[in-house]
Amino acid sequence: QSALTQPASVSGSPGQSITISCTGTSSDVGGYNYVSWYQKHPGKAPKLMIYDVSHRPSGVSSRFSGSKSGNTASLTISGLHTEDEADYYCSSYTSTSTYVFGTGTKVTVL
Amino acid sequence: QVQLVESGGGVVQPGGSLRLSCAASGFSFRSYGFHWVRQAPGKGLEWVAVIWSDESYKFYADSVRGRFTIFRDNSKNTLYLQMNSLTAEDTAVYYCARLSGTTSTIDSWGQGTLVTVSS
Repeated sequence: QSALTQPASVSGSPGQSITISCTGTSSDVGGYNYVSWYQKHPGKAPKLMIYDVSHRPSGVSSRFSGSKSGNTASLTISGLHTEDEADYYCSSYTSTSTYVFGTGTKVTVL
Repeated sequence: QVQLVESGGGVVQPGGSLRLSCAASGFSFRSYGFHWVRQAPGKGLEWVAVIWSDESYKFYADSVRGRFTIFRDNSKNTLYLQMNSLTAEDTAVYYCARLSGTTSTIDSWGQGTLVTVSS
């Protein structure tokens, strides 16, 4: 149950687009379309931003999009806003019926 | 609206036990599975355990298997996490989270309860 690998930090200026990667294995990310992305502000509960690789829950801005290629999933934030500054975590269902989170990425809006 | 409220956190000595509770409201509790997820100070999210809606399946992270037990009381709309043989590495904010009814994602989270293991 090793954590999925994410970059520690990603930054961008307001209005720019950024992409966060999430690399796992064929036993998790690559084996299932059950990758989710969560936004977490300090001291707050995580918020679901993307589920099933690329689906957006109602109420989540269309600026957030997800994709997957092989064992790597990605979250793209388009038109970066200051309120997007937060930690982002991917997660995946696994072949042992467990779940695993990514190492987390701190997004900074310059 | 969906509400998940954790309780039971606190300070416990190494080797001790603690039981966390998560009171659910605003939806049909018995129709959903639930997770416990934790976050140690300054660290990332770590998945802990999941229980299916009918309690037929329970799965645990390697780091807690054999020490933690997830269970539920549908008559009380409450999820629990029994934690035994606690160590300093179990110090974290513990979140109760709802498993989506339609896919394998967490769609709602509680605010968390802090567990500190220290002598």
